[in-house]
Amino acid sequence: AQKITQTQPGMFVQEKEAVTLDCTYDTSDPSYGLFWYKQPSSGEMIFLIYQGSYDQQNATEGRYSLNFQKARKSANLVISASQLGDSAMYFCAMGQDNQGGKLIFGQGTELSVKP
Amino acid sequence: GAVVSQHPSWVICKSGTSVKIECRSLDFQATTMFWYRQFPKQSLMLMATSNEGSKATYEQGVEKDKFLINHASLTLSTLTVTSAHPEDSSFYTCSASKTSGGRETQYFGPGTRLLVL
Repeated sequence: AQKITQTQPGMFVQEKEAVTLDCTYDTSDPSYGLFWYKQPSSGEMIFLIYQGSYDQQNATEGRYSLNFQKARKSANLVISASQLGDSAMYFCAMGQDNQGGKLIFGQGTELSVKP
Repeated sequence: GAVVSQHPSWVICKSGTSVKIECRSLDFQATTMFWYRQFPKQSLMLMATSNEGSKATYEQGVEKDKFLINHASLTLSTLTVTSAHPEDSSFYTCSASKTSGGRETQYFGPGTRLLVL
């Protein structure tokens, strides 16, 4: 069965420091994609970064990078140089090619950036 | 770009009334849209997959007669909560799938907060 697990309900980070948000997944399908979304207090889910299961390199998008360890089935999000505006809920999600684009989401991690 | 709008952003209604929520992809066409419900401090729960020109596919446990979904065009899907009750109060959000570079990504609308009195 497919499953996404985020074990950190809440995280704190000092402004300008880097932070890693954990995500592990479980699937028997060899072809899948991993997504990270940010949800600020306004509620809108904002797409951050994507990693395909066959991608050889870790994905990067500006200050966001994905530490993809396929053998461990983990896809941790790394945010470098944290900013106050990074305070939000962060959700890891997985989609599989044979699921018609459906995503399953983890429980989320609430990140608080301290000045 | 990939912009998705949702209307209304919030609604308060009396128990027993029906509420329609619209989801539009503004700068791309989406053959598939998804509807989610999210309770406070919880993750998103997929309610149904909306396919343009065909019936929606509902997730297990979601009442299709209560949550009516119509995907009339490649840029619009609507969710109607029929005979809403207080337990239907929640945050409803939609997403639209956009394929680019062989990758399918869901882009979300800003969400609709529903409060049923």
